[in-house]
Amino acid sequence: AQSVTQLGSHVSVSEGALVLLRCNYSSSVPPYLFWYVQYPNQGLQLLLKYTSAATLVKGINGFEAEFKKSETSFHLTKPSAHMSDAAEYFCAVSEGSARQLTFGSGTQLTVLP
Amino acid sequence: GAVVSQHPSRVICKSGTSVKIECRSLDFQATTMFWYRQFPKQSLMLMATSNEGSKATYEQGVEKDKFLINHASLTLSTLTVTSAHPEDSSFYICSASRGDRVVQPQHFGDGTRLSIL
Repeated sequence: AQSVTQLGSHVSVSEGALVLLRCNYSSSVPPYLFWYVQYPNQGLQLLLKYTSAATLVKGINGFEAEFKKSETSFHLTKPSAHMSDAAEYFCAVSEGSARQLTFGSGTQLTVLP
Repeated sequence: GAVVSQHPSRVICKSGTSVKIECRSLDFQATTMFWYRQFPKQSLMLMATSNEGSKATYEQGVEKDKFLINHASLTLSTLTVTSAHPEDSSFYICSASRGDRVVQPQHFGDGTRLSIL
């Protein structure tokens, strides 16, 4: 069975500071991993995805994530936070042919001026 | 990019009413759509997987007679909450995926806020 753990339900950073959102996964087969962002009262927008190609994945809005098999991690980073990055971020895993996504509990990112 | 349209965005209705939510893939054919429920400040919980032309697959604990799902075409899936009660109030989100390859990410609608009085 697949699962996702997001450490830290709330993360606060100053504008311009590094953003690091943590995600660890559990999967019995090589996983597909995703990061989504959700703004209030909206659906989820795909930031980036890992599908067994390059381990460092670049996404939209300056975000990137690195797949580390030895650590079963897929942490999301952005060098410099913007106020517009404030939102809820979800890590998700899909494995094999199931195609279903299992979501982490989410991390609320606050960007301080 | 891929766009998934969900309608309505917000519904307020009386207890006992049935509510239909539509999910459309606007620029691609979606053989599979997914329906999620999200409680305040919580993650998304998969309710059911909707396959075009066949019966939906419901997750454990989801009442299929309560949450009716129809996927009549490759671009439209509907979720009907039958005889809704206050405990059904929630944020419902659909998603759609192109084709059959698991690497295709799911694209999400903007959700429907359902409030039952």
